[in-house]
Amino acid sequence: AQSVTQLGSHVSVSEGALVLLRCNYSSSVPPYLFWYVQYPNQGLQLLLKYTSAATLVKGINGFEAEFKKSETSFHLTKPSAHMSDAAEYFCAADTNSNSGYALNFGKGTSLLVTP
Amino acid sequence: DTGVSQDPRHKITKRGQNVTFRCDPISEHNRLYWYRQTLGQGPEFLTYFQNEAQLEKSRLLSDRFSAERPKGSFSTLEIQRTEQGDSAMYLCASSLASSGTDTQYFGPGTRLTVL
Repeated sequence: AQSVTQLGSHVSVSEGALVLLRCNYSSSVPPYLFWYVQYPNQGLQLLLKYTSAATLVKGINGFEAEFKKSETSFHLTKPSAHMSDAAEYFCAADTNSNSGYALNFGKGTSLLVTP
Repeated sequence: DTGVSQDPRHKITKRGQNVTFRCDPISEHNRLYWYRQTLGQGPEFLTYFQNEAQLEKSRLLSDRFSAERPKGSFSTLEIQRTEQGDSAMYLCASSLASSGTDTQYFGPGTRLTVL
């Protein structure tokens, strides 16, 4: 089963600065990969997903992520942070089990955006 | 379609009591997942249904936990004899089975506090 590691439990950026949230997966077979965002006391909202169709994936709210097999990475970026981007971000991989597609989540990265 | 809904949003109970949560998936979604999320962690998979059949359960789902999806629509998750360690956010997600991986849409969650 795939496991997911998110480097950095907290990331702080200034408004307008580049956002980079890191995610690495461990699997000999590239899994399907996802980024979700969670605002306080809410469920998870899908930002984007990688399904092998293209290595650069564009998502909602200006976010994108690049799949790099050689680095087993799927880092999330946004060119210019907005205050409204402050939230918890989770990277996830599907388990590719025989009976479903349960997701394995990383521990999350809390993004703080300062004025 | 208003998305995945969960009820209640918050539940406070005393240790030893039974609690039941409900999840209403997006209509026509045939897959339904339950996850548990503790503070500072990513969601952890509990169980999964395809239509009314419960096809997978994780090791986290002790015998005090039971989930049903009687008509392949809404689902319930019951915890018997609650313990303080059961305090967590319980998330429900639904998806429409497709080739490759499907996309899971999450509800707002039920936050359980066991006193």
